[in-house]
Formats: sequence, C-alpha cells, structure tokens
Amino acid sequence: GQNIDQPTEMTATEGAIVQINCTYQTSGFNGLFWYQQHAGEAPTFLSYNVLDGLEEKGRFSSFLSRSKGYSYLLLKELQMKDSASYLCAVMDSNYQLIWGAGTKLIIKP
Amino acid sequence: GAVVSQHPSWVICKSGTSVKIECRSLDFQATTMFWYRQFPKQSLMLMATSNEGSKATYEQGVEKDKFLINHASLTLSTLTVTSAHPEDSSFYICSARGGSRQETQYFGPGTRLLVL
Repeated sequence: GQNIDQPTEMTATEGAIVQINCTYQTSGFNGLFWYQQHAGEAPTFLSYNVLDGLEEKGRFSSFLSRSKGYSYLLLKELQMKDSASYLCAVMDSNYQLIWGAGTKLIIKP
Repeated sequence: GAVVSQHPSWVICKSGTSVKIECRSLDFQATTMFWYRQFPKQSLMLMATSNEGSKATYEQGVEKDKFLINHASLTLSTLTVTSAHPEDSSFYICSARGGSRQETQYFGPGTRLLVL
C-alpha cells in the first residue's frame, strides 16, 4: 500500500530551528510537496521537490532523498506565526497526491 | 499568481436543503480540480477529482449522488451537497492544478458548512 509517515506533533522554541521529517512508500514518485495549514484555514503551498537535494526558500528549506524515501522541512528563526500543521504529500505514478496526516508544530516563547 | 477562490466561505442551512459551493481559479486555467473535506482536528480527505468537461472521479465511500460535482469550465468547479444532513457539517476545501506549475495544487480558502 501507499504510506506517508510524519510525526504527529512537535514543539519548538521561538527563534530556534526545527526539522519535520517525512518518509514515504508510494507506487511511483512524481514529486513531494509540503503545505502549511493554520488552524481553521486551508493549506498553503510551501515547496515542491522532485530531484534529490535541498531547496531553500527564505526561512524554510525542504530536502529530498528519493533513494531513502525521505524528506524534511526545515524551519529556521521560528516565529510564533509558524505554529501550524505541516502536511507532507507525495504525487504517485498516477499523479495522485497521497497525503500524510500532518505534523502539528507548537511554537513556545 | 495561482489564486483560487471559494464561495461561500460560510453556510448554515436546515437539514434537507441543498448547498452549492463554487471554486474558481482566478488567474490560471485549472485542468484539474479537487474537492476535499476536513473534520475538526483530522486530516484532509479527498472526496473527488474533476477534469474539465468530464465526469468527476469519486473516492471510495463518497456518494456521487449526494455530492454532485460539475467542472463546466477551466476556471470553475462546483460541489453541490444534496439533501444535507448534520453529519455533512464539515470544512470543504477545493484545490486546482494547472497554470505555470502544472504539478502543484493550490487551495481555495475553504467553505464551512453547518447543517442544523
């Protein structure tokens, strides 16, 4: 079957760095996405990785290793507004998105 | 770019009525649109995928006669919840794929449905 695993919840301190991991097993691979979802709101697109390596976009970076079926989202200089759920999703061989359950990130002052 | 709107943002209705939700891609042509449902503190659940001009593909367990999807143009898809009941109360979110980033789904702001 197809499976996306990510931690249910993480806690970090304002100003610090946090890494949210995602491992996947899917039938085929056409890219991995990270979305941010604040409570009560719809998801917003953060990043897309289809090749191995690190993609940096401001305070957020996303890494992919296709051979390991592994990705992480790295958030630097954490701000209180970064408190949200972070969703990992993989596009399979049929171009369907397989969603992880999301990681709830709690930022403490 | 890649803005998706949804209307209405909030609906409160009586049990038995039908509710129509519109999803529009404002600045790109959406070859594919998706409808999701999300219950409080739960994951996104894909309900159906629709391509312009063709019938929607529903996920297992989603009643196609209850959740009518129409994707009449490259910028508009509608979801109609027919004969809504309290258990249909949820957060309905659409997303659209197309434009310059063909692989990425961009989400609308969602519609909260409360059926009394």
